[in-house]
Amino acid sequence: NAGVMQNPRHLVRRRGQEARLRCSPMKGHSHVYWYRQLPEEGLKFMVYLQKENIIDESGMPKERFSAEFPKEGPSILRIQQVVRGDSAAYFCASSLLAGDLDTQYFGPGTRLTVL
Amino acid sequence: GENVEQHPSTLSVQEGDSAVIKCTYSDSASNYFPWYKQELGKRPQLIIDIRSNVGEKKDQRIAVTLNKTAKHFSLHITETQPEDSAVYFCAARNAGNMLTFGGGTRLMVKP
Repeated sequence: NAGVMQNPRHLVRRRGQEARLRCSPMKGHSHVYWYRQLPEEGLKFMVYLQKENIIDESGMPKERFSAEFPKEGPSILRIQQVVRGDSAAYFCASSLLAGDLDTQYFGPGTRLTVL
Repeated sequence: GENVEQHPSTLSVQEGDSAVIKCTYSDSASNYFPWYKQELGKRPQLIIDIRSNVGEKKDQRIAVTLNKTAKHFSLHITETQPEDSAVYFCAARNAGNMLTFGGGTRLMVKP
């Protein structure tokens, strides 16, 4: 049973370019969460999605950032017009359900470097 | 929103000693408290969790305690080994299903 998959593992972009980060949840999991981790810091919640729905995006910057989890395919975190401050590790996690079956399992992360 | 404080930020122990990491949370509605271990450059790995209807949970050398009244919970690692060296994060889940993480504790176990 494959765990949470993320790609690419490393992504380098120049300022002003777009970054697309992909997350495939564990098999059967319908809840996806994105977190950002700056160097030497903790994980900060960004957005929580279920299939075709954004449940909570309170941690995501209003501009340049968007997320989706389509009916088919992986969840995508999209960052437009990247700036150096976007350099971080972006982790997604998935859970089977909410409530008592809500244990979140993390993917390996995408390390974004903005030059 | 929820706020989670974690102490200490770094902890150095001798192999075989115990390590204790403490967290406090602010939202009394939070009901689920996982602990993650993150090695350098790796993903956070769940090591133990506790729900608000129990006060203590143990898994081999790892235990977690929860005091709902005081809104704090702690991770205890006994008989520490060098491979326990990592950054440990506590988290609290609120009614909205998202996790709020503490700032992390860098644990160093000296052989």
